Amino acid sequence: QSVLTQPPSVSAAPGQMVTISCSGSNSNVGSEYLSWYQQLPGTSPKLLIYDNNKRASGIPERFSGSKSGTSATLAITGLQTGDDADYYCGTWDGSLNAWLFGGGTKLTVL
Amino acid sequence: DVQLVESGGGLVQPGGSLRLSCVGSGFSFISYSMNWVRQAPGKGLEWLSYISSSSGTIYYADSVKGRFTVSRDNAKNSLYLQMNSLRGDDTAVYYCAQYMNVWGKGTTVTVSS
Repeated sequence: QSVLTQPPSVSAAPGQMVTISCSGSNSNVGSEYLSWYQQLPGTSPKLLIYDNNKRASGIPERFSGSKSGTSATLAITGLQTGDDADYYCGTWDGSLNAWLFGGGTKLTVL
Repeated sequence: DVQLVESGGGLVQPGGSLRLSCVGSGFSFISYSMNWVRQAPGKGLEWLSYISSSSGTIYYADSVKGRFTVSRDNAKNSLYLQMNSLRGDDTAVYYCAQYMNVWGKGTTVTVSS
């Protein structure tokens, strides 16, 4: 069981918006920068968002991140079939001295 | 382009050892901390180890502490993971990552008799 909690799956139709949540605690999400990763089938993870809300190089504005307290959210607007992937949140935990990942959320674009 | 290439994976018997390597290019390797992360078949991401740019700070996940050893050779732009006492649940794709921003394509480790 992951220390960071994400919904196992979300789905939406093309063109719509979806949000993925990531919940942690004061020692990780509440006090450290959070990142989001996209993993397309059969590929390695790709950084989407870093420092809570900064888009990585080449990432379209459709992807955005936010954080409040011990929870964070990834929002994807204008969904495309190519967004079908697993999404992970991740951050450092200062108490554990360990990097933590959420359990991952499978996004299905219907 | 920033690139990380892992190698050294393969089939190993339970209790055996393996050494993974990761070579970085397109960036100043000596300036970045590095991580190892793995993904078991059909499972999520699991962080394994962190090493600072100078090797002065090293951390491990509890699941591999005492069995795995991370090291780096900045002169060779290389990161290593020495894995001993391997078990079936170590079967996974192993990724190296520059900080946690750029990831390699991974190398597959299978622990089976």
